[in-house]
Amino acid sequence: DAGVTQSPTHLIKTRGQHVTLRCSPISGHKSVSWYQQVLGQGPQFIFQYYEKEERGRGNFPDRFSARQFPNYSSELNVNALLLGDSALYLCASSLGTAFPREQYFGPGTRLTVT
Amino acid sequence: AQSVTQPDIHITVSEGASLELRCNYSYGATPYLFWYVQSPGQGLQLLLKYFSGDTLVQGIKGFEAEFKRSQSSFNLRKPSVHWSDAAEYFCAVGTTDSWGKLQFGAGTQVVVTP
Repeated sequence: DAGVTQSPTHLIKTRGQHVTLRCSPISGHKSVSWYQQVLGQGPQFIFQYYEKEERGRGNFPDRFSARQFPNYSSELNVNALLLGDSALYLCASSLGTAFPREQYFGPGTRLTVT
Repeated sequence: AQSVTQPDIHITVSEGASLELRCNYSYGATPYLFWYVQSPGQGLQLLLKYFSGDTLVQGIKGFEAEFKRSQSSFNLRKPSVHWSDAAEYFCAVGTTDSWGKLQFGAGTQVVVTP
């Protein structure tokens, strides 16, 4: 079975630009979470979507937004990019039931802002 | 405040020797505990999880972890490390009221010497 997939693998953008990152969850998984991992740190939670609704949001500015589609894939959008947005962006999927389930991570998208 | 602490930033271990990675958490609610491993430039792979029940849990690649509620700890162990175990290891915590959000420790970098 295919795992969590993310695209693109790498991305270079200029300050002030906008970026869209994409994620496809494991088949049958209805929950998608996004994390930002700055070099040398642990991942930081950005968003969780379950059944196309936002279920959680981390401490990130409004420049960050996301959505989930009817097929449970998801997009993360970042506007007005800053140098500090350079990071590995990880998507994780889980079954998403009434109680906690383990999350499975994709390979990530490496974003570099110059 | 909720927190996850991995006291050891960096550990060097000889191939064949035992390994123990420490994780301490501070949460008011019942925690759900995870260990993930990350190879350079890669996403996170789930090693093992603890939700309830037996406090000694077995994972993949010969790893095990023990949940000690009295010490708020969830330490990861492996009896005999292999060169392929060199990677960064992250402890993560989730709770029932925010199960889609994992809070990660800062990680422990493991170096394996011949």
